[in-house]
Amino acid sequence: QKEVEQNSGPLSVPEGAIASLNCTYSDRGSQSFFWYRQYSGKSPELIMSIYSNGDKEDGRFTAQLNKASQYVSLLIRDSQPSDSATYLCAVNGGADGLTFGKGTHLIIQP
Amino acid sequence: NAGVTQTPKFQVLKTGQSMTLQCAQDMNHNSMYWYRQDPGMGLRLIYYSASEGTTDKGEVPNGYNVSRLNKREFSLRLESAAPSQTSVYFCASGTGRTDTQYFGPGTRLTVL
Repeated sequence: QKEVEQNSGPLSVPEGAIASLNCTYSDRGSQSFFWYRQYSGKSPELIMSIYSNGDKEDGRFTAQLNKASQYVSLLIRDSQPSDSATYLCAVNGGADGLTFGKGTHLIIQP
Repeated sequence: NAGVTQTPKFQVLKTGQSMTLQCAQDMNHNSMYWYRQDPGMGLRLIYYSASEGTTDKGEVPNGYNVSRLNKREFSLRLESAAPSQTSVYFCASGTGRTDTQYFGPGTRLTVL
């Protein structure tokens, strides 16, 4: 059974600070890793994808991948109240498609 | 370019009734998926279709059937709805199993 673990939160971060979201996965064969943002009552929206060890930056967002430790993280710099949402980590291990974590609820405090 | 569309947005059923959830995508993707999302359970895959003409069971397929009508459309049918099927249902599409999936707006289903 492939598993993706996230701290459910809530994670509370002051506006303007860095929010750090973490995810671990069980399948060492996983090749593709994704972060989705989901606002309450809305559908998941892709933020970042990462396939290689290291960092990938896109605007205020940085995804970090460490396959040896089976660890993926998402950093949000200069956090804004509009970043308040649930963040879903998703991992692809092959034939079964994406496995999602249960999400971390992030609150940015003005 | 509408992306992934789903109908209906909301539905209330009585136990034992049947219904079909519709999904369509205009991104020319080969793969399509149906998920359900429940509080505390995360997104769980019900069925997927890797290409037109093929369908496979996901993690929670019991009580559901699917049809991949053509490359654009993938429907989910509840033959005899049960209260345990009360959930939010999302359809998604992607270029392949290892690639990014794009989600529709969802259908909120309540079974009384």
